[in-house]
Amino acid sequence: GESVGLHLPTLSVQEGDNSIINCAYSNSASDYFIWYKQESGKGPQFIIDIRSNMDKRQGQRVTVLLNKTVKHLSLQIAATQPGDSAVYFCAENRGDYKLSFGAGTTVTVRA
Amino acid sequence: GAGVSQTPSNKVTEKGKYVELRCDPISGHTALYWYRQSLGQGPEFLIYFQGTGAADDSGLPNDRFFAVRPEGSVSTLKIQRTERGDSAVYLCASSSDSQETQYFGPGTRLLVL
Repeated sequence: GESVGLHLPTLSVQEGDNSIINCAYSNSASDYFIWYKQESGKGPQFIIDIRSNMDKRQGQRVTVLLNKTVKHLSLQIAATQPGDSAVYFCAENRGDYKLSFGAGTTVTVRA
Repeated sequence: GAGVSQTPSNKVTEKGKYVELRCDPISGHTALYWYRQSLGQGPEFLIYFQGTGAADDSGLPNDRFFAVRPEGSVSTLKIQRTERGDSAVYLCASSSDSQETQYFGPGTRLLVL
């Protein structure tokens, strides 16, 4: 079936290094993608989004890349900090209001 | 400004009981969504409101689940005859319209014993 999924369930990164979190999607009709960060006991927090007419978007310390040819999405976090430890979800909007989430990647930042 | 708020933050109930979960969206947001998140999983869509009406309730698992938004602002998710399998985090989100970014609340953690 069609789904949004992350390549790796966990990622351990040294503080100060860059992090890259990957996500694959299967629905070529999807036109809007969002990255959320979820800390333990909290709701998902919006990080950055990208629409299908773009291939790159930058925010503060974060960059999202979209490769529609291979249906791949990535989130890059520059100079990873302890506060970046969380579960990261990519979500896909297939042209309507429903978001379809992957299972998430747990990022652990080592001091 | 205030984000999406949800009450209660935690709810413990017994199998067979009725529960109500409340969501206060961001002021002015016309679109409101309910999702359910099981342990270790991403959120799953339950229902979408545009204004006062439920535009899509296709994600509700069965007829024990019902949601209302009578004045187009606050929404209540109602679960009748709760079952242990209903235990999950229930998340509410809102957006300025259906094509814009959805902002989530902190969730209500429901435990059915």
